[in-house]
Amino acid sequence: GAVVSQHPSWVICKSGTSVKIECRSLDFQATTMFWYRQFPKQSLMLMATSNEGSKATYEQGVEKDKFLINHASLTLSTLTVTSAHPEDSSFYICSARRRASEQFFGPGTRLTVL
Amino acid sequence: QKEVEQDPGPLSVPEGAIVSLNCTYSNSAFQYFMWYRQYSRKGPELLMYTYSSGNKEDGRFTAQVDKSSKYISLFIRDSQPSDSATYLCAMNRETSGSRLTFGEGTQLTVNP
Repeated sequence: GAVVSQHPSWVICKSGTSVKIECRSLDFQATTMFWYRQFPKQSLMLMATSNEGSKATYEQGVEKDKFLINHASLTLSTLTVTSAHPEDSSFYICSARRRASEQFFGPGTRLTVL
Repeated sequence: QKEVEQDPGPLSVPEGAIVSLNCTYSNSAFQYFMWYRQYSRKGPELLMYTYSSGNKEDGRFTAQVDKSSKYISLFIRDSQPSDSATYLCAMNRETSGSRLTFGEGTQLTVNP
């Protein structure tokens, strides 16, 4: 299968700071990447769809000014959680679409905001 | 009503058992069907990817799609303790780039 990496794998930050998470497709080009959030024992919740070279499309209820997404190249998308608060603590996972509807997921980033 | 229904379990089986995981869906526009395996605190791993009705086999895993009944299954033969994970079904429409709709996930434990 295709490989998608995420960095960092976990991060702890103070309330009010911003955190950037990187998602890279290592062995294929991805015109579309997706960002998900997952709470314990729940399924994935899509936050936004990121297309290379254009603005991200956010799901209803997701604050685009809080969760900044940049998809600057065919292999890299970034999610920045701005002015993070404890309620933003979660498991963030990205995926990259290779062809048709095949999506490959990164290993996830665990964010803890103190 | 959810677009995709999946029994969350938990499901516990002895090692070597055949495991059957299922999802039903209501939207006939879904054309692509996937099964993902997710270990605790890890990202989902794509196990099976199917487009048409019928069976697809890969090692100990068999994916089955019945579009007429809007029903998909994943069978795991000779289950191993390392198969213990949450299994998520996912599907989407023909439209290129359309987002995945996930089932709730079934938590499976294979006991040695």
